[in-house]
Amino acid sequence: AQTVTQSQPEMSVQEAETVTLSCTYDTSESDYYLFWYKQPPSRQMILVIRQEAYKQQNATENRFSVNFQKAAKSFSLKISDSQLGDAAMYFCAYLLSNAGGTSYGKLTFGQGTILTVHP
Amino acid sequence: DAGITQSPRYKITETGRQVTLMCHQTWSHSYMFWYRQDLGHGLRLIYYSAAADITDKGEVPDGYVVSRSKTENFPLTLESATRSQTSVYFCASNNRMGTEAFFGQGTRLTVV
Repeated sequence: AQTVTQSQPEMSVQEAETVTLSCTYDTSESDYYLFWYKQPPSRQMILVIRQEAYKQQNATENRFSVNFQKAAKSFSLKISDSQLGDAAMYFCAYLLSNAGGTSYGKLTFGQGTILTVHP
Repeated sequence: DAGITQSPRYKITETGRQVTLMCHQTWSHSYMFWYRQDLGHGLRLIYYSAAADITDKGEVPDGYVVSRSKTENFPLTLESATRSQTSVYFCASNNRMGTEAFFGQGTRLTVV
């Protein structure tokens, strides 16, 4: 079974600074996706960024980027120029590719990291 | 409205009562899921469904029942609520390619 571990229950950053959230995972599969979701106090789950395991290039979305180390099974999220609106719970998640029609799109989540942004 | 909708958003119930959480999606996605969110555990899969009338257990299914008579609806029932089922519940859906999940707004359930 796949597992996802976020070892930082809480992180904090000063506004305009950079912060990195850590995530490690364990899988024996080679074809999968990794995600970072943001959950603000509204509870809405917002997709921040997605990485396909077969792509060597790290995904980026504006101020958000990942460092995907497939061999090390590490998937960290870097937030640059942090803003007050970035304050939220962040979840790392794993999704086995459904190319074989057997994964059914089931996500495995890490425990979450609460990010606080200080003005 | 297009999307995935959960109801109610908040619910307080008593121990031993039956309660049903509703989930409706308008995309005709094949896959639907119920997760519960608890501090320190992230989101854990309760049940999932690959299509109408096809459901299966996830990681934490005990105490829950699901049904899926129509593609767009996937209700979750707690047959006899317990305090340990106090949680935030998320419904989600995914297309057959399974490359991205879409989440409802969540239901905060308190069992007293």
